[in-house]
Amino acid sequence: EAQVTQNPRYLITVTGKKLTVTCSQNMNHEYMSWYRQDPGLGLRQIYYSMNVEVTDKGDVPEGYKVSRKEKRNFPLILESPSPNQTSLYFCASSSGSGGFFEQYFGPGTRLTVT
Amino acid sequence: DQQVKQNSPSLSVQEGRISILNCDYTNSMFDYFLWYKKYPAEGPTFLISISSIKDKNEDGRFTVFLNKSAKHLSLHIVPSQPGDSAVYFCAASAGTSGTYKYIFGTGTRLKVLA
Repeated sequence: EAQVTQNPRYLITVTGKKLTVTCSQNMNHEYMSWYRQDPGLGLRQIYYSMNVEVTDKGDVPEGYKVSRKEKRNFPLILESPSPNQTSLYFCASSSGSGGFFEQYFGPGTRLTVT
Repeated sequence: DQQVKQNSPSLSVQEGRISILNCDYTNSMFDYFLWYKKYPAEGPTFLISISSIKDKNEDGRFTVFLNKSAKHLSLHIVPSQPGDSAVYFCAASAGTSGTYKYIFGTGTRLKVLA
């Protein structure tokens, strides 16, 4: 089954404790992206990657890191999480870059930083 | 500055009637527009898209209209069904400008009343 998986689905952590949210897709997609969803702010893009070793900032990259060492995986790293990073996070992938290609979203990771 | 705006946070429509969801944008470089639907506890799913060279795209009960001069797009759902109750996000991309970011609106919650 074609899908985007994220782990963990739920995470409660404390300020400053490094964490990684994994994202994996099995569709051989080139483009992968991370978003956060916050009430009243919709979905905001954090980082995206157009292919292996090619990443770029979205609209809200501060406090996040990403890497794309393999085509199927695109982990999101929070080196020193803060309470303002409490949010619902979505990973997405598409077969190409640009709006022509629809994105497939994972189920989301709800992160709480206390 | 919100480049993609959905000014109606919510909309209620009777089953069988037309639902019209609106979206405004400010960046004339956007060349592709997409609509995603999101159910609670799930990731967004792609619904329909339109290129900036078109003014209408239809897929079954869903039609997207684009008015470039007004920088406005709308999603029409006819007839509306209770299963259409969800949050709808419009999104824009400016791939031809060399960046592959996606900008999402804040979403409109549609409730279709049986």
